Amino acid sequence: DSGVTQTPKHLITATGQRVTLRCSPRSGDLSVYWYQQSLDQGLQFLIQYYNGEERAKGNILERFSAQQFPDLHSELNLSSLELGDSALYFCASSASGISNEQFFGPGTRLTVL
Amino acid sequence: GEDVEQSLFLSVREGDSSVINCTYTDSSSTYLYWYKQEPGAGLQLLTYIFSNMDMKQDQRLTVLLNKKDKHLSLRIADTQTGDSAIYFCAEIPNNAGNMLTFGGGTRLMVKP
Repeated sequence: DSGVTQTPKHLITATGQRVTLRCSPRSGDLSVYWYQQSLDQGLQFLIQYYNGEERAKGNILERFSAQQFPDLHSELNLSSLELGDSALYFCASSASGISNEQFFGPGTRLTVL
Repeated sequence: GEDVEQSLFLSVREGDSSVINCTYTDSSSTYLYWYKQEPGAGLQLLTYIFSNMDMKQDQRLTVLLNKKDKHLSLRIADTQTGDSAIYFCAEIPNNAGNMLTFGGGTRLMVKP
């Protein structure tokens, strides 16, 4: 158990809908990262937050957004969903040490029908 | 993950050693990582190596780093059936903030 929690575990929705994925980092970690894992794209970095502020952005679509709240939990919002958005979405957290070890949650499996 | 390359598949017998190879892209990456993903599970950080090291050993795991060739390997000694999983190498390229760039993963199958 990495100490990172994600809810829900599974999500099934329809095209055009909007969903919210939630992540709680390990106790004391200030950084939260979101990654997408799909069969065709592999594991891709989406976005990073550090202590409530956006720190880095990867290949995140404009239909996707995220935020980190004062209690350090984070939410990833996916809107106008398309079939191709079906994937595993992982959250990871890290402390501020220089080795930047990132610890991953169990993921949310999103299926868009 | 297209810039970090790994072979797709490796099959070994229980008790043998496994060697999973990875070629990364950025010679200035400071740390390189190995993650394990079991079916239906998240990514488990196995180990990492600092770029000024050639080797790191942690129980049954040995990481070798060849900076000149940008080649990283993970050796698992006395491989067990519980080691069957997908193994990902990852780097944090310079000027990429803290984002991990992953390889495509190597599926390790351990036969009894």
